[in-house]
Amino acid sequence: AQSVAQPEDQVNVAEGNPLTVKCTYSVSGNPYLFWYVQYPNRGLQFLLKYITGDNLVKGSYGFEAEFNKSQTSFHLKKPSALVSDSALYFCAVSLEYGNKLVFGAGTILRVKS
Amino acid sequence: NAGVTQTPKFQVLKTGQSMTLQCAQDMNHNSMYWYRQDPGMGLRLIYYSASEGTTDKGEVPNGYNVSRLNKREFSLRLESAAPSQTSVYFCASRGLAVNSYEQYFGPGTRLTVT
Repeated sequence: AQSVAQPEDQVNVAEGNPLTVKCTYSVSGNPYLFWYVQYPNRGLQFLLKYITGDNLVKGSYGFEAEFNKSQTSFHLKKPSALVSDSALYFCAVSLEYGNKLVFGAGTILRVKS
Repeated sequence: NAGVTQTPKFQVLKTGQSMTLQCAQDMNHNSMYWYRQDPGMGLRLIYYSASEGTTDKGEVPNGYNVSRLNKREFSLRLESAAPSQTSVYFCASRGLAVNSYEQYFGPGTRLTVT
């Protein structure tokens, strides 16, 4: 069965510093990996995805993520955090072209000025 | 282009009451999904419809039914609401274009069952 772990409930970063939100996954085949962001009282917004190819993928709002097959990880990164990046971030995995997404529990990112 | 819309935004039910959550998308997407979001558990898939005319169970289907009314609309029905169904419900859709694997989410319905 597929599963996703986001080991940190909350990540705190100072504005301007780099940020990392961690995600590890467990699947029996080749994964399709996604990051979503949720602002308070809103739906989820797509940030980026890894399907195949280059292990470093770039997405919206300056975010990027690195796929590491040997460590089964897909950590979300940004070189310089903004206060407006504060939100709830979800990692998700699918084996079926984006169907049947399995989500992690989410990580709250707080960026302080 | 409104994307994915959901109605209602908020609902309070008494145990045993029934209701239908509505979802519509205007992106001509083939696949549609219903999730519930509970604190500390992320989103869990209730039902999905890979294409018009088909529906399949997800991870947590018990207590729910769905109808794919047409390509645009996918409704979720609670026949006899229980307090355990208190949650935020999200509808999502996905297209079939090449490399278009991501899902697009609606704003959610916050449901409380007392």
